Amino acid sequence: QVQLQESGPGLVKPSQTLSLTCTVSGGSISSGGYYWSWIRQHPGKGLEWIGYIYYSGSTYYNPSLKSRVTISVDTSKNQFSLKLSSVTAADTAVYYCARDDCSGGSCYSPYYWGQGTLVTVSS
Amino acid sequence: QSVLTQPPSASGTPGQRVTISCSGSSSNIGSNYVYWYQQLPGTAPKLLIYRNNQRPSGVPDRFSGSKSGTSASLAISGLRSEDEADYYCAAWDDSVVFGGGTKLTVL
Repeated sequence: QVQLQESGPGLVKPSQTLSLTCTVSGGSISSGGYYWSWIRQHPGKGLEWIGYIYYSGSTYYNPSLKSRVTISVDTSKNQFSLKLSSVTAADTAVYYCARDDCSGGSCYSPYYWGQGTLVTVSS
Repeated sequence: QSVLTQPPSASGTPGQRVTISCSGSSSNIGSNYVYWYQQLPGTAPKLLIYRNNQRPSGVPDRFSGSKSGTSASLAISGLRSEDEADYYCAAWDDSVVFGGGTKLTVL
């Protein structure tokens, strides 16, 4: 079974760049067939999809966050990463990485989720 | 304001059957699969139903999903205390969009 684990700083200063990494085990990103996503959840609130990446490096981002988001992949380490620039307190959230449910070349929604990591934006 | 609309709360007694609705539009539920997630307090969301009505292995058959037009429902039969959680629906609509979540209380 695929397992995902987020890692990165738990505290980021306003205007800086939030950087997180997701390490995948139990499956290889480079074998293809799946999209790898980031999702966040503001404290006490609902879920917000950030974007996904394919092993080839192709990406798709939530239009509302697109200008500040970069997702990248390192197949040699079986990891993918999130960078969110110019953060404010509104970016304080639990960030999850996930592997999507895919079939016939299309992917639809997260299937396997990491446990999540809280990132607080504060000076 | 979430793209998909769910009731903020639902409740039931042990053994009862409860349903949670998820309303969308032609651009999301009307033309794409619906997914349901269960989030127990302090934990990550867990996939409960995928592609409208499929259960991942390990999910009890007490949980079932259905879709009709631009709406979907999650039904939980034989309600148990451990079902008390937040439930979210999701679908694709130019990105993955989620409902605002429904807090299920087992009385």
